[in-house]
Amino acid sequence: SSELTQDPAVSVALGQTVRITCQGDSLRSYYASWYQQKPGQAPLLVIYGKNKRPSGIPDRFSGSSSGNTAYLTITGAQAEDEADSYYCNSRDSSGHHLLFGGGTKLTVL
Amino acid sequence: QLQLQESGPGLVKPSETLSLICTVSGVSVSSTTYYWGWIRQAPGKGLEWIGSIFYSWTTYYNPSLKSRVAISIDTSKNQFSLKLTSVTAADTAVYYCAGSGYGAYEVFGDWGQGTLVTVSS
Repeated sequence: SSELTQDPAVSVALGQTVRITCQGDSLRSYYASWYQQKPGQAPLLVIYGKNKRPSGIPDRFSGSSSGNTAYLTITGAQAEDEADSYYCNSRDSSGHHLLFGGGTKLTVL
Repeated sequence: QLQLQESGPGLVKPSETLSLICTVSGVSVSSTTYYWGWIRQAPGKGLEWIGSIFYSWTTYYNPSLKSRVAISIDTSKNQFSLKLTSVTAADTAVYYCAGSGYGAYEVFGDWGQGTLVTVSS
């Protein structure tokens, strides 16, 4: 199918580890990228490729994948990691068109 | 430091054409190592890829919008643009331009601040 599926919301206790998932057939062939979006802001790239972080992104953010599922893991979540949504994106099975997941709202308790 | 800035009308009438420009600074839009794209976000909704353009002016469009969308590059002004025809209220959204210097056009490392376009008569 040509879509990426994310859980609508997850929560994590301060300092604990949370894993956000993204499922889609195309993820068997292509890496997912992950974006953090806070209210009123443009998305921010946090993970791309095979677990790569752009400059300035804390190393508590990491990415992995297995089969048709990509994961964004935040190890030791901080209050500032709370976001309206974390979005995954990748190519579709054609390799030309891009997809975004529906987003996962993260609450840090 | 790559910076992007969207500009264009904030209000467009139904059935008319939405036109936006993204002004790029810090990198040439004709760079062979950068890719450019448009993404939109309807109020309270998720991100939707509109299309991308890169060297040799290759373009890819969201199949659901392909019949109405065109993305082009103006090297003289270091800009790329979006045109979306026959708009309806469903096209009301914040429109972002974005760039990728990470070797893959799906990796949007730099974003403009976004511009809200409302479709209404």
